Amino acid sequence: GQNIDQPTEMTATEGAIVQINCTYQTSGFNGLFWYQQHAGEAPTFLSYNVLDGLEEKGRFSSFLSRSKGYSYLLLKELQMKDSASYLCAVMDSNYQLIWGAGTKLIIKP
Amino acid sequence: DADVTQTPRNRITKTGKRIMLECSQTKGHDRMYWYRQDPGLGLRLIYYSFDVKDINKGEISDGYSVSRQAQAKFSLSLESAIPNQTALYFCATSDPRQDTGELFFGEGSRLTVL
Repeated sequence: GQNIDQPTEMTATEGAIVQINCTYQTSGFNGLFWYQQHAGEAPTFLSYNVLDGLEEKGRFSSFLSRSKGYSYLLLKELQMKDSASYLCAVMDSNYQLIWGAGTKLIIKP
Repeated sequence: DADVTQTPRNRITKTGKRIMLECSQTKGHDRMYWYRQDPGLGLRLIYYSFDVKDINKGEISDGYSVSRQAQAKFSLSLESAIPNQTALYFCATSDPRQDTGELFFGEGSRLTVL
């Protein structure tokens, strides 16, 4: 079966750095997405990786290793507004998105 | 105004009732999707449509039906609601011309079936 694994919850301190991991087992691979979802709101797109390596976008970076079936989202200089759930999703060989359950990130002052 | 609008935002209904959730978008995207989100689970695809004449079942289509009335409108119906259809429902759109395949979500419709 297809599976996306990510930690259920993480806690970090304002101003610090946090890494949210995602491992996947899917039928084929056509890209990996990270979305941010604040409580009670819609998911919003953060990043897309289709090739191995690191993609940096401001305070957020996303890394992909296709051979290991692994990605991480790195958040730097954490702010209170970064408290949210972070969803990892993989597009399989049929171009269908398989979603992880999300990682709830709690930022403490 | 939101680019992807869902109505109603909240609905409480009883078992056996017919419910329609509506989605409209101003993004001009051909592709539209209905997902449900449950605590502890990933988003699950119910139905999707790549254009007005195209309707496809997703992972969990049983108990649901859809209608694509126009490029901008995609409705989800529960013919006879049951309690395990209590969930947060999201409509989304995408543009196939965009390399990333990014999804644009509506604000969600929270449905409670008693």
